[in-house]
Amino acid sequence: DQQVKQNSPSLSVQEGRISILNCDYTNSMFDYFLWYKKYPAEGPTFLISISSIKDKNEDGRFTVFLNKSAKHLSLHIVPSQPGDSAVYFCAASEGRSQGNLIFGKGTKLSVKP
Amino acid sequence: DTGVSQDPRHKITKRGQNVTFRCDPISEHNRLYWYRQTLGQGPEFLTYFQNEAQLEKSRLLSDRFSAERPKGSFSTLEIQRTEQGDSAMYLCASSLQGVYTDTQYFGPGTRLTVL
Repeated sequence: DQQVKQNSPSLSVQEGRISILNCDYTNSMFDYFLWYKKYPAEGPTFLISISSIKDKNEDGRFTVFLNKSAKHLSLHIVPSQPGDSAVYFCAASEGRSQGNLIFGKGTKLSVKP
Repeated sequence: DTGVSQDPRHKITKRGQNVTFRCDPISEHNRLYWYRQTLGQGPEFLTYFQNEAQLEKSRLLSDRFSAERPKGSFSTLEIQRTEQGDSAMYLCASSLQGVYTDTQYFGPGTRLTVL
């Protein structure tokens, strides 16, 4: 039973446009969410996080939106760049300081020049 | 480079052999985690340590798997009597548990292939 779902295995976007990656979760106890980016042959790289007390967090070109009632979060990348091409993982935990992160299966983003 | 390091990066072994992986966390981090990732899946939690203490183990961590962090610094993950189903990327992460943040930072992983 998947508690964190990324229903789009892949996404293709033109350079300069907005990339929107989506994530749904089922466990109402999750209250801390993270996005990681992964290039081939490398470990995941932390991008941005959000606590359930917020509905938006922004860091440069990356913004994460959280809709608790819908149990949905999204990552917006504006403007998209070819170097953003990677697999993006959504992860969740019960509490900011919980050890066990639950990951989705990932979405492969391709940004075309 | 002061990031999380893992050794070896690749390991090929025959079924039934034992393997051991090492993880060196970011130096000031007190928490260390092990995850496993198979093709098309996200990382799956295996276990984590706070300093020397192993605080949580996943049901994925069968009795053939054992992890240690003897001095609260580096950690080892041993798999005994490897099976083909153990083939995966083994990821280590570390974090500094604090009031405002406990972000996990990952190493490059060790790719295990069991023949």
